[in-house]
Amino acid sequence: GENVEQHPSTLSVQEGDSAVIKCTYSDSASNYFPWYKQELGKGPQLIIDIRSNVGEKKDQRIAVTLNKTAKHFSLHITETQPEDSAVYFCAASGGFQKLVFGTGTRLLVSP
Amino acid sequence: GAGVSQSPSNKVTEKGKDVELRCDPISGHTALYWYRQSLGQGLEFLIYFQGNSAPDKSGLPSDRFSAERTGGSVSTLTIQRTQQEDSAVYLCASSLALVVFEQFFGPGTRLTVL
Repeated sequence: GENVEQHPSTLSVQEGDSAVIKCTYSDSASNYFPWYKQELGKGPQLIIDIRSNVGEKKDQRIAVTLNKTAKHFSLHITETQPEDSAVYFCAASGGFQKLVFGTGTRLLVSP
Repeated sequence: GAGVSQSPSNKVTEKGKDVELRCDPISGHTALYWYRQSLGQGLEFLIYFQGNSAPDKSGLPSDRFSAERTGGSVSTLTIQRTQQEDSAVYLCASSLALVVFEQFFGPGTRLTVL
């Protein structure tokens, strides 16, 4: 079955810096890769996703890149703000909507 | 409109007791999913429903876990004879349909088994 690895587990940046979180997946049949943000005491919130027929997608300060050959995808946050502090999860799905999640990255943005 | 709601938000129970967790999906969403999140861990898939049918139950950790969905809406996750290792946050998500990938999550139910 699918296995998703996520790095780093924690990431500390200064406000205004960029943050990059990387994930690798094992199943070449996976074709959907969402990123979720989870704040303390809340459920995960979808922030951006990418499908296998696209190499990059941007939404304001957030971008995701996908390299299908290498089976890895990354989340890029530019101009980080304190409110970006949260736990970020990547996931992969190859069918039937069964998302397999990474173990999460705790992002801390210091003012 | 309203998002996915779950109840209760917190549940403390004694080892050996049964518990029921409830999920109300977004109105009109035909697909519903249950995940479990242990402390500091990622999300573990448990089961999904398309309508009232659950084609894949392989993610349920043991036969003490069961889930049902009625009327294509509300779902309940039941854990019988709870064990301490069942302590976790149980998250529910829904999507418009199985062919639409975006899953929207509820706030979760924090289960503590003493």
